Amino acid sequence: EDQVTQSPEALRLQEGESSSLNCSYTVSGLRGLFWYRQDPGKGPEFLFTLYSAGEEKEKERLKATLTKKESFLHITAPKPEDSATYLCAVLNAGNNRKLIWGLGTSLAVNP
Amino acid sequence: GAGVSQSPSNKVTEKGKDVELRCDPISGHTALYWYRQSLGQGLEFLIYFQGNSAPDKSGLPSDRFSAERTGGSVSTLTIQRTQQEDSAVYLCASSPTGVNTGELFFGEGSRLTVL
Repeated sequence: EDQVTQSPEALRLQEGESSSLNCSYTVSGLRGLFWYRQDPGKGPEFLFTLYSAGEEKEKERLKATLTKKESFLHITAPKPEDSATYLCAVLNAGNNRKLIWGLGTSLAVNP
Repeated sequence: GAGVSQSPSNKVTEKGKDVELRCDPISGHTALYWYRQSLGQGLEFLIYFQGNSAPDKSGLPSDRFSAERTGGSVSTLTIQRTQQEDSAVYLCASSPTGVNTGELFFGEGSRLTVL
């Protein structure tokens, strides 16, 4: 069964303390892996798409990487405004209409 | 430009009543999705509209749920005879081409509480 698991469930960092969030997946043929950010009371906001192992994408303090089994979202020197829930989703080869979502990692960055 | 607009933002209803949730997608986006988000659960796919094609209704949890999209633009999700387990945030998303690009534009959601 296709599955996406994110860890940790929650993470608390001090401002400037770098860390990584994990998204591991089991799908029958990956067509894409997507990271989103969700602020409280808002809908998810698209961050990155990764299509193949070895691919990396960067945006400001965030860098997403992909292997054949998992993706990492690296946060370098985070700021309080990076506090949010980060969601991972995958698209498999057998179903090109429905993203399979993880439960997210709730990140809090303290000043 | 305007993003995806959803209304109402909050709805409190009594068990057994019908509710309608509205989504106004970004102009020109051909793909429209409805998702449900509950505490402790991931986003749950409900229904997908793409252009003039027949919608993919495979995620609708029961026949109390239905959705339509008029004129390829505005969509309405209807829940009949609401139950307490229907309480959740209902999110609408649109995309210019579909999920293959991975970039969906979400609205802020409609929070439904069934008493």
